[in-house]
Amino acid sequence: NAGVTQTPKFQVLKTGQSMTLQCAQDMNHNSMYWYRQDPGMGLRLIYYSASEGTTDKGEVPNGYNVSRLNKREFSLRLESAAPSQTSVYFCASTTGTGRYGYTFGSGTRLTVV
Amino acid sequence: GEDVEQSLFLSVREGDSSVINCTYTDSSSTYLYWYKQEPGAGLQLLTYIFSNMDMKQDQRLTVLLNKKDKHLSLRIADTQTGDSAIYFCAESLSGYSTLTFGKGTMLLVSP
Repeated sequence: NAGVTQTPKFQVLKTGQSMTLQCAQDMNHNSMYWYRQDPGMGLRLIYYSASEGTTDKGEVPNGYNVSRLNKREFSLRLESAAPSQTSVYFCASTTGTGRYGYTFGSGTRLTVV
Repeated sequence: GEDVEQSLFLSVREGDSSVINCTYTDSSSTYLYWYKQEPGAGLQLLTYIFSNMDMKQDQRLTVLLNKKDKHLSLRIADTQTGDSAIYFCAESLSGYSTLTFGKGTMLLVSP
């Protein structure tokens, strides 16, 4: 099915471990985004890529890095995980025209112990 | 900067109408959206409205936009238990800019 695919769906990390969250879309969208969702905080933008070859910081970029591997794939890396990074992470994509908003993946639930 | 505010919780009975409210601060916002998030799932776009519109209707959903007061509302007619979810309001300055989300309104529909 067309859409945004995130892997893994669940992950438990120990403090200090690293990992990469994967995101791929098959809708030929130009722009891709990483958000985190925490109780009572809504969705906060971590990083985004307006087009292939570009990345920019969002509201809460500290502790994260991203790679726009190609037009389809946008990965999020935690180099040294901290308990404060326990969250649900969502990837999203859009054409950029605004009319259709964002298409979201189903999320990665990350726990750092 | 951009800021979007929503009430956190709304409880209604099945068959009633639900009205979820949202206020935003940036008068330059061009696109305004409503998303729905069911438990354990990602966000699903419900509807959107452009800033040059006052109202948009889509089956059971009615969106009202008051640009003067920077107020957006989502009305769900004949609310069903399947409508129980978190509803997010979001704004963007243009189709090419990032979305700013509210914190979400949890809608609970009781039989």
